[in-house]
This record gives sequence, C-alpha cells and structure tokens, in this order.
Amino acid sequence: AQSVTQPDIHITVSEGASLELRCNYSYGATPYLFWYVQSPGQGLQLLLKYFSGDTLVQGIKGFEAEFKRSQSSFNLRKPSVHWSDAAEYFCAVGSTGNQFYFGTGTSLTVIP
Amino acid sequence: NAGVTQTPKFQVLKTGQSMTLQCAQDMNHEYMSWYRQDPGMGLRLIHYSVGAGITDQGEVPNGYNVSRSTTEDFPLRLLSAAPSQTSVYFCASSFRGHTGELFFGEGSRLTVL
Repeated sequence: AQSVTQPDIHITVSEGASLELRCNYSYGATPYLFWYVQSPGQGLQLLLKYFSGDTLVQGIKGFEAEFKRSQSSFNLRKPSVHWSDAAEYFCAVGSTGNQFYFGTGTSLTVIP
Repeated sequence: NAGVTQTPKFQVLKTGQSMTLQCAQDMNHEYMSWYRQDPGMGLRLIHYSVGAGITDQGEVPNGYNVSRSTTEDFPLRLLSAAPSQTSVYFCASSFRGHTGELFFGEGSRLTVL
C-alpha cells in the first residue's frame, strides 16, 4: 500500500539557517512526488514536484528537493530560511489510481 | 481568477443533521477531490472524481456522498453528521489527475456537536 512518512512533526530553525525536511514514501512504481506548503488558515500550495529525470528539482520560494530511489526519500531543502517560511509542509505521492497520499506534515517555526 | 471556491468557510452542526459543502472550480479541471485534515493525520482523501458523472471512493469515504454533474462543481454531502466528522475539509482540483498539481480551496471548518 502507498504511504508517506514525515518523521519530524515539528522543526525549529533560526532565520538564515539551512533547512531539511524529511520525507519517505512507500510506492511500488515510479512515484509522482510533491511538496506542498500550508500557511495558517489557508489551503495548500505546491512548492515543487518530481516525475522523472533530474533527481534534484527546484521549486518556488528558493526550495529544492532531491529524489533518492535507493532510500525511497524525497527531502525538501532550503539553504537559508526566512521568517516567512514558517508554515506546515506536506509531502505527497500521486498513485496510478488517481489518488494522492499525504504525509502527516512538518510544522516549521523560524526563530528571528 | 477564482480558482477553487469552497463554501461555507465555517459550519456548526448538531449530531444527525445533514449538510452539503460546496466546491466549484473555474479552471476546467477534470479531476476534483475532497480531503479532510485532522491534527496529526495530515490530509486524507474522502472521494474523488476524474470527470463529470464519475466518482470514486478514497481512503475515508464512510459517512460522505459526492456527485459530479458538471465539470465545475463537486459537492460533498454529510447525510447524518457525527462528532467524528469534525474536521477541516479541503476541495482540490487538478488538470492531470494524480500526475498534476493540486489546486486547493481555502478550506471549510466543520464542527459537529
């Protein structure tokens, strides 16, 4: 069965520090992988996606993610975090059954 | 562009009452879906549709009904609300189903007393 695991429930970083949010997935075929961000009281917005090709993908707001098939991971990174990055982040996988599976989310706090 | 519009934004129901959450999109997306978001659970798929007249169950469909009579609209019905259905509900649409970006509405917060 498809599943997505985000092992970190909450992360706190200082502004300007680097960030890595972890995502592991379980999926039999080549996955369609996504990272979404949710600001308080808002819907989710796509940060980036991976379907095939280059395993390092660039997204909006300076985010990037690396697909590692051997580790079943799709970790999100940002070199320098801004206070406006404080939000909840969700990793998701799209399955061939036209369903999406989301992780439980990682809440990011940014300290000035 | 309106994108995905959900109504109402807030609703309080009593156990056993029925209601419909409305969802409309103006992007001509064939794929539409409903999720519920609960603390510590992430988003879980309730129902989805790949086009007008076609609906299917997701991960947590019990207690919910959907229909898709037009491309634009995908209402979610609670026939007999239960406290376990207290949640934030999101409607989302996509141009290319599971391979495409999901566009989300702003959510509907439902409380069942």
